[in-house]
Amino acid sequence: AQSVAQPEDQVNVAEGNPLTVKCTYSVSGNPYLFWYVQYPNRGLQFLLKYITGDNLVKGSYGFEAEFNKSQTSFHLKKPSALVSDSALYFCAVSPRDFNKFYFGSGTKLNVKP
Amino acid sequence: EPEVTQTPSHQVTQMGQEVILRCVPISNHLYFYWYRQILGQKVEFLVSFYNNEISEKSEIFDDQFSVERPDGSNFTLKIRSTKLEDSAMYFCASSEVRGGYNEQFFGPGTRLTVL
Repeated sequence: AQSVAQPEDQVNVAEGNPLTVKCTYSVSGNPYLFWYVQYPNRGLQFLLKYITGDNLVKGSYGFEAEFNKSQTSFHLKKPSALVSDSALYFCAVSPRDFNKFYFGSGTKLNVKP
Repeated sequence: EPEVTQTPSHQVTQMGQEVILRCVPISNHLYFYWYRQILGQKVEFLVSFYNNEISEKSEIFDDQFSVERPDGSNFTLKIRSTKLEDSAMYFCASSEVRGGYNEQFFGPGTRLTVL
């Protein structure tokens, strides 16, 4: 069965420190990988995606993600967290030739001043 | 910046009643989707729609569900006879083109409560 795992329900970091939000997946083939962020009362907003090429992809708001094929992981990172980064983050995986996402359960990021 | 909108933001209904959830996708997008998230669970794919027909659907999307693009702007999800377990947040999304590599743009969701 296809699945996406975000092992941490919540991640707490201090402002200015680096952050990592973890995602691993079990989806057949070589899927496409995405990160979305959700702020209260807003829809899921696209952050970045991995299609092919360089394993480190850069996205919006200074976020980046590292693809590791052997570990089937796609961890979200940011070198220096901001309080405004506090939100719910979702990892999503899309099988090739399909038009749907499999989502992780979401990780709540809390950045404290 | 264009965005996907959904109405209503919250819908309360009695078990057995029909509900219609409405979405306005981004205007130049061609592919439309519905997802749902039951409280405390993952966001789950329901259905994708293109060129006035269903492109893919999940096992969740049974005969109680239907989708429609009644005009050039709206995209609707109908649940014919709601059940308690249909209570969830329903997200509409759209994408410009087909292909798993394309990001989907999501609306803010409609919270459906079935009593």
